[in-house]
Amino acid sequence: DVKVTQSSRYLVKRTGEKVFLECVQDMDHENMFWYRQDPGLGLRLIYFSYDVKMKEKGDIPEGYSVSREKKERFSLILESASTNQTSMYLCASSFQEAQYFGPGTRLLVL
Amino acid sequence: AQSVSQHNHHVILSEAASLELGCNYSYGGTVNLFWYVQYPGQHLQLLLKYFSGDPLVKGIKGFEAEFIKSKFSFNLRKPSVQWSDTAEYFCAVISMNRDDKIIFGKGTRLHILP
Repeated sequence: DVKVTQSSRYLVKRTGEKVFLECVQDMDHENMFWYRQDPGLGLRLIYFSYDVKMKEKGDIPEGYSVSREKKERFSLILESASTNQTSMYLCASSFQEAQYFGPGTRLLVL
Repeated sequence: AQSVSQHNHHVILSEAASLELGCNYSYGGTVNLFWYVQYPGQHLQLLLKYFSGDPLVKGIKGFEAEFIKSKFSFNLRKPSVQWSDTAEYFCAVISMNRDDKIIFGKGTRLHILP
């Protein structure tokens, strides 16, 4: 079974803090993704990566950056957290177009 | 641009009722189609997928979906739902163009009454 893990299930941060969300997959997938999930808005793609050190902007990259130094690890960074970044963050890896999701990190920015 | 439309945001059914959740997409080329499900407190997981071949695809837990190319639709069905099917369901589409990203619908929240 594919396993995608995320570093935290719940996180509370203050406005202006730098936030790191870590994601690790164990199936040697090349493609990895970060989404945010908000009620009524579904999943929105923030960033994705097709290979190590490679990144592409998704639909809502503003206020975020990513890092992919190793194939199995894809990090999402909020440079200066804001209250409108309170959300559920989902990481996924993909193989043959099917996506495998982590459990999500619920981030609250105060 | 591609888009995915799920017709119902919230569906409430009684156990044993039949289910059909609508999904339409806007891309005219060759596509791969998916349904994902998120049970309360659990990961999003793949329910079923269509790449090619028989347009009627069967997934886990008795779900099936039919790809109708002429209608740009990929509706999800189950003949008799159970209380444990309570979840949020997402339709997703990706075109065969390598540069295109997977697009998710906004989700349908299904609530089954015992």
